[in-house]
Amino acid sequence: LAKTTQPISMDSYEGQEVNITCSHNNIATNDYITWYQQFPSQGPRFIIQGYKTKVTNEVASLFIPADRKSSTLSLPRVSLSDTAVYYCLVGQWGGADGLTFGKGTHLIIQP
Amino acid sequence: DAGVIQSPRHEVTEMGQEVTLRCKPISGHNSLFWYRQTMMRGLELLIYFNNNVPIDDSGMPEDRFSAKMPNASFSTLKIQPSEPRDSAVYFCASSRTQPQHFGDGTRLSIL
Repeated sequence: LAKTTQPISMDSYEGQEVNITCSHNNIATNDYITWYQQFPSQGPRFIIQGYKTKVTNEVASLFIPADRKSSTLSLPRVSLSDTAVYYCLVGQWGGADGLTFGKGTHLIIQP
Repeated sequence: DAGVIQSPRHEVTEMGQEVTLRCKPISGHNSLFWYRQTMMRGLELLIYFNNNVPIDDSGMPEDRFSAKMPNASFSTLKIQPSEPRDSAVYFCASSRTQPQHFGDGTRLSIL
């Protein structure tokens, strides 16, 4: 499984755009990049998934450069409720295997 | 639309006691996963099932841990005998493909 590296923590202010970058130098050809969000006392929740270029949904955007060795989760105009831990994972799409979570990035949004 | 349901939400018990955690996956999902989360080790995959069959239990810490999935709508994770180092939040997740959908976990404290 490709190992991922992301910042341990970040902080920002309400209304700002936040970008969290994840490194995955050993990503395989069949691997997709997936981001999960976890609030205290809750299980992780799927945010977005992509293979290459850019993916956007109602919550976030995911930017993946051509070499796919990194990816950036972009959260537009964050609010206090976006304070959470964000996990970057790499693995095969549609795979039934268990997920390998790293330590994640603890994002703190201040007023 | 019911998500993954775990019970109990919290459990406090003395070491040496048997502990049984329960999970009801989302209807129609054919994969079920048990994870454990601690501050020191983060989120770890313990075991997962596909179509009620255990596929990979290499993450189960030791023989004191066992998991069953008697049917598509129910799974248990049992610890016998329990030890203080088993204290953690235990998550159950289910999926048909990706992404996985997590329950809100069982916070287990072994005194």
